[in-house]
Amino acid sequence: ETGVTQTPRHLVMGMTNKKSLKCEQHLGHNAMYWYKQSAKKPLELMFVYNFKEQTENNSVPSRFSPECPNSSHLFLHLHTLQPEDSALYLCASSQADRTNTDTQYFGPGTRLTVL
Amino acid sequence: GEDVEQSLFLSVREGDSSVINCTYTDSSSTYLYWYKQEPGAGLQLLTYIFSNMDMKQDQRLTVLLNKKDKHLSLRIADTQTGDSAIYFCAEKYNQGGKLIFGQGTELSVKP
Repeated sequence: ETGVTQTPRHLVMGMTNKKSLKCEQHLGHNAMYWYKQSAKKPLELMFVYNFKEQTENNSVPSRFSPECPNSSHLFLHLHTLQPEDSALYLCASSQADRTNTDTQYFGPGTRLTVL
Repeated sequence: GEDVEQSLFLSVREGDSSVINCTYTDSSSTYLYWYKQEPGAGLQLLTYIFSNMDMKQDQRLTVLLNKKDKHLSLRIADTQTGDSAIYFCAEKYNQGGKLIFGQGTELSVKP
C-alpha cells in the first residue's frame, strides 16, 4: 500500500450506532488530519494530530472522537450521529515540525450516510 | 479573517485552455495549493507555489500568483476530458500551517 488509505470507503449507520473510521499513511509523515466535506461547502478541518498530540480541535461536537495511537494511524470514532453529519470524511497526512506543517496528502475518503 | 473564494463552475471545450481563479485573504500565507478531486475520490495534490514566486509551470499546468491582489490562478493547457473534476485552491495559513480551502471549481470539459 502506498500513500494514504482509508477504510471503509462507504458507511451507512443509524443514529444510535457506534462506528469507527480508519486512516493509515505509508509516507513516513508525523502529522495527520481529519476533514469533513459536505455538499456545496468548503472542506472543514476537524482535527489535527502533530507528533501524535492533538494540536487542533475545530469546535467539533463530542459525538466525533479522534484517536491517534501512532504517527501512521488515525481513527475517528462516531457515536449518536445526526443526519446532517452525512458527508465525505477525508484523512490527510504531512511532514511537520513543531511549529509548521508541510504539504498535505489526502486519502480517498469515507462516504458516511447517517439514517 | 480566513477566506478563500472560487467560482463554482467552468465549462471548456476539449483542446482549449482552462483558467481557474481563486482569491484569498491572508497576506501572510506561505504556500498556495491546487488540488484536484475526481468523482468519488479524495483530493490529489496537483501543484503548489511558494508565496515569494509569481509563476510556476509544470507540464500543462501554469500557476500565477498576484500577491498584491491576493489572486491565484491555475491554467490548464490543452484541456482533456480526463481533466473534468473539481479543483480546490487552498492557502496555508501562517499560524501553524493550517490549510484553508475554497469551495472548489467544477471543471467540465466537452468533447
